[in-house]
Amino acid sequence: GESVGLHLPTLSVQEGDNSIINCAYSNSASDYFIWYKQESGKGPQFIIDIRSNMDKRQGQRVTVLLNKTVKHLSLQIAATQPGDSAVYFCAENTDGNKLVFGAGTILRVKS
Amino acid sequence: DVKVTQSSRYLVKRTGEKVFLECVQDMDHENMFWYRQDPGLGLRLIYFSYDVKMKEKGDIPEGYSVSREKKERFSLILESASTNQTSMYLCASSLYVFNTEAFFGQGTRLTVV
Repeated sequence: GESVGLHLPTLSVQEGDNSIINCAYSNSASDYFIWYKQESGKGPQFIIDIRSNMDKRQGQRVTVLLNKTVKHLSLQIAATQPGDSAVYFCAENTDGNKLVFGAGTILRVKS
Repeated sequence: DVKVTQSSRYLVKRTGEKVFLECVQDMDHENMFWYRQDPGLGLRLIYFSYDVKMKEKGDIPEGYSVSREKKERFSLILESASTNQTSMYLCASSLYVFNTEAFFGQGTRLTVV
């Protein structure tokens, strides 16, 4: 069936270090993926997306990598800052206009 | 900036009450969505709408209905609230049908007692 999951529910990193958040997806037909950040008390906020015809996309301090062979998605955050502390969700577009979300990973940044 | 506004941040309702959650977006988006968010389960799609008066069931539509009379407004209705509907409800909108990001509201935390 369609599902998106995360390897690590909680990730703690030191301020200034790089963070890597991982996500596994099961639907090989998915052709669009998004990473969202959700801070406490707020709705999810778009970070970066990637289409299945790409394997890497970079934004400001963030990079998303897509490995279709093993159905794996990762979000890399460079020089992690306290303001990056949040829950991060990956989502896949599986059926046209439906996004399927993973359970989320908590990122905690230690100062 | 896209703005998706949910009418309430917090709601407390009694079992059996009819509950309306309202959502408005200001960017003329075609698609609107209602999700519920529960710890460890991520966001699960309840209903979505790709046009006025059109609606489609998501993954967990039981116990819910929706209304989209105007393009900018999408309402989620709990016909008879139950305690297992206590959750965070998130509304979202997106411009295109395929492969595009969704913009979320701030969420409504509903408690059914």
